[in-house]
Amino acid sequence: EAQVTQNPRYLITVTGKKLTVTCSQNMNHEYMSWYRQDPGLGLRQIYYSMNVEVTDKGDVPEGYKVSRKEKRNFPLILESPSPNQTSLYFCASSFAQTPYGYTFGSGTRLTVV
Amino acid sequence: AQSVTQLDSQVPVFEEAPVELRCNYSSSVSVYLFWYVQYPNQGLQLLLKYLSGSTLVESINGFEAEFNKSQTSFHLRKPSVHISDTAEYFCAVSTPQGGSEKLVFGKGTKLTVNP
Repeated sequence: EAQVTQNPRYLITVTGKKLTVTCSQNMNHEYMSWYRQDPGLGLRQIYYSMNVEVTDKGDVPEGYKVSRKEKRNFPLILESPSPNQTSLYFCASSFAQTPYGYTFGSGTRLTVV
Repeated sequence: AQSVTQLDSQVPVFEEAPVELRCNYSSSVSVYLFWYVQYPNQGLQLLLKYLSGSTLVESINGFEAEFNKSQTSFHLRKPSVHISDTAEYFCAVSTPQGGSEKLVFGKGTKLTVNP
């Protein structure tokens, strides 16, 4: 089944404790992206990647890191999480040349206390 | 840069009534337009998209949206809604000029269908 898989689905952590949210897609998509969803703010793009080793900042990159060492994986790293990073996170992927729009994962609900 | 405005944050309707969810965009270049739906506790699913050609696009579950370039709008409509259409709907825009990786979303419209 073609899909974007995120792990974990739920995570509660403490301020300052480094964490990684994994994302993997099995559709051979070039583009991958991370969004955060907050009530009343919709989805805001954190980082995106156009291919292996090519990443760029989205609209809200502060406090996050990403890497794209393999085409299928695009982990999101929070090196020192803070409570304002409590949010619902979505990973998404798409083909580069055909604008089908992103396919989204099921989301990761992160709470930082 | 592109932006999207969804004019209504919440839309309550009764079952079998028609509904329109409004979306306006801002862009200095040509655009691709999308509607996504998010059911409770789920991720986003693509509902329909406008890339080019016919300005009226349809989804498999009875929704349709019309691209209006002069009014920079892409409103979503359904002539008769069901309880199962209760969800949050997001309008999104990207551009064909090498910007399709930057999909920009509106803030969403929560559609609640009441019996």
